[in-house]
Amino acid sequence: NAGVTQTPKFRVLKTGQSMTLLCAQDMNHEYMYWYRQDPGMGLRLIHYSVGEGTTAKGEVPDGYNVSRLKKQNFLLGLESAAPSQTSVYFCASGLAGTYEQYFGPGTRLTVT
Amino acid sequence: GENVEQHPSTLSVQEGDSAVIKCTYSDSASNYFPWYKQELGKGPQLIIDIRSNVGEKKDQRIAVTLNKTAKHFSLHITETQPEDSAVYFCAASWDGGSQGNLIFGKGTKLSVKP
Repeated sequence: NAGVTQTPKFRVLKTGQSMTLLCAQDMNHEYMYWYRQDPGMGLRLIHYSVGEGTTAKGEVPDGYNVSRLKKQNFLLGLESAAPSQTSVYFCASGLAGTYEQYFGPGTRLTVT
Repeated sequence: GENVEQHPSTLSVQEGDSAVIKCTYSDSASNYFPWYKQELGKGPQLIIDIRSNVGEKKDQRIAVTLNKTAKHFSLHITETQPEDSAVYFCAASWDGGSQGNLIFGKGTKLSVKP
C-alpha cells in the first residue's frame, strides 16, 4: 500500500494563477483532510470530507475550494493564488468513526 | 471551539535524558488526544494517542499522561536518542466524534544532542 500520496511535491505559482493539488489514498478511508502548515502556526485545517461527494469548511477555508468525486481522491484548488497562500500543504485520511489521521508527504507551494 | 496550547516551542536535551512536552486544551468535550512526530521534509506521523477514559499510556520509551480535570496532557520521552530529534505536535478532538476533526498545537522542535 502506498498510503497517502500527494501530487505535485513542489510548485511555484505567480500571483493570480490557479492550480489543483491532488491527494490520493489507497486505504479505503472515508475521511480526508487538507491542512496548511506555516512556520510557528502548526497545522491548520482548510477543508475536509467525510465521504464521497461531501465537503466541509475547516478553520482557514478562504481562497480554496475542494472536491471529492471519488472516495480515494481529494482535490484542493486555488483559483487565484496569493502570496499569503505560500505554505506547505498536507493531505490526510482516516477511517470513519476514528480520529486517527494518516498524512501524506506534503506539497511545498510558493506564490510569487 | 477547541483551542490547544503547546509548550515549549523548542526543547534541547542531551542524549539519554528525558524530554517532556505539555499541552492544554479548552473544550471539556474533547475525548481523544494524539501526538504526532514530524521529521524534516516529511508528513506528521502518529506516535501515540490517549482517550479521555485513560490516564496514562506507554509504548516503549514514550508515554502520554492526561489530566482531564486540569485539561492538560503531556508527552514523555525517556532515554532520548538522536533519532528522536523532530517536531512534535499534540492535538485534541473537537467535533464530538462525527467527523474525526483534530485541532493541533503549534509544535515543539526537539533536538537531542549526542
